[in-house]
Amino acid sequence: DSGVTQTPKHLITATGQRVTLRCSPRSGDLSVYWYQQSLDQGLQFLIQYYNGEERAKGNILERFSAQQFPDLHSELNLSSLELGDSALYFCASSGGGGAQETQYFGPGTRLLVL
Amino acid sequence: QQQVKQSPQSLIVQKGGISIINCAYENTAFDYFPWYQQFPGKGPALLIAIRPDVSEKKEGRFTISFNKSAKQFSLHIMDSQPGDSATYFCAARGYNFNKFYFGSGTKLNVKP
Repeated sequence: DSGVTQTPKHLITATGQRVTLRCSPRSGDLSVYWYQQSLDQGLQFLIQYYNGEERAKGNILERFSAQQFPDLHSELNLSSLELGDSALYFCASSGGGGAQETQYFGPGTRLLVL
Repeated sequence: QQQVKQSPQSLIVQKGGISIINCAYENTAFDYFPWYQQFPGKGPALLIAIRPDVSEKKEGRFTISFNKSAKQFSLHIMDSQPGDSATYFCAARGYNFNKFYFGSGTKLNVKP
């Protein structure tokens, strides 16, 4: 168990809908990262937050947005969903001091868009 | 532009053999190189990591070899076991903002 939690575990929705994925980082970690992993694909970096502020942006679509709250949990919002958005979405956290450089991944949210 | 290139895409090894996965990077500012192991349906888990001031790091059956001048690093799995069958990702950390760049992954299949 990495200490990173993600909810929900599975999500099935229809095209055009909007969903919110939630992530709670490891205790003490200030950075949260979001990744998308499509079937048999690598990890595509979406966005990073550090202590509530956006720090880095990857290949995140304009239909997607994220935020990190004062309690450090993060939410990834996906809107106007398309079939191609079906994927595993992972959250990772880092920045807890001695192990600052290590990213710890959550179990992921599997999104299926029908 | 892919910051970290990983090969091979897939690998089949007999039980007891050595699995070797290679990664190359361009950015000399990278300062930390972890390897992750991912089983189907699970999140990636840190396996072993190395800093560029070290040429080799060994943890049990897993070894990272690092060649700073060639900007390459590799993962060696000795005495490979069927339980090692998973997808392996290399990564590199950028100096600024703790940003990580991942390789495209290698699917390892260890045959009994």
